[in-house]
Amino acid sequence: EPEVTQTPSHQVTQMGQEVILRCVPISNHLYFYWYRQILGQKVEFLVSFYNNEISEKSEIFDDQFSVERPDGSNFTLKIRSTKLEDSAMYFCASSVNRGGVYVQYFGPGTRLTVT
Amino acid sequence: GENVEQHPSTLSVQEGDSAVIKCTYSDSASNYFPWYKQELGKGPQLIIDIRSNVGEKKDQRIAVTLNKTAKHFSLHITETQPEDSAVYFCAAEMKTSYDKVIFGPGTSLSVIP
Repeated sequence: EPEVTQTPSHQVTQMGQEVILRCVPISNHLYFYWYRQILGQKVEFLVSFYNNEISEKSEIFDDQFSVERPDGSNFTLKIRSTKLEDSAMYFCASSVNRGGVYVQYFGPGTRLTVT
Repeated sequence: GENVEQHPSTLSVQEGDSAVIKCTYSDSASNYFPWYKQELGKGPQLIIDIRSNVGEKKDQRIAVTLNKTAKHFSLHITETQPEDSAVYFCAAEMKTSYDKVIFGPGTSLSVIP
């Protein structure tokens, strides 16, 4: 069964550094998302992406964040200058429209630790 | 604003007993409600979902019910097994461009052998 994959599984970085989190969505999916989960808290929506542009973003997704689909398979989240509070699990998801709803499948996540 | 509430936050049951998790949502335009299971160190895994034109859906030991008037939906797990132990999230898709998912805060289920 096709799965969303994410790399790396764990990323440690120093405050102020740039990080890029990578995702390979399920191959026939057209809609892509990033979510984050701070330790012990619920999963929060960051951004949705379709047809090479952002369709919606949350207030968390400020100017320090950007997303890109650099080729036909990868979907990336870049944090330009990391802060301590960016430490979290970041989940990529992809979806396909089935009868008017977007059924989302999540990847295993990247644990980002900012020191 | 958009919100999904979930109860209880923790739940312990004996193996073989049933577990029930209840959720409410705020956006009356939501029409799709997935449930995710998250095991330690893994991403949320879709286990069952329900659409607003259906009141109940069952898949083996798992069932979901939806009361759209009251904006309540529930997950029922029967004959629980130790491998059911995980954090369960209810969610509601918000009717934005490509339907972002709003998660509830999660229920940590422990099934005691």
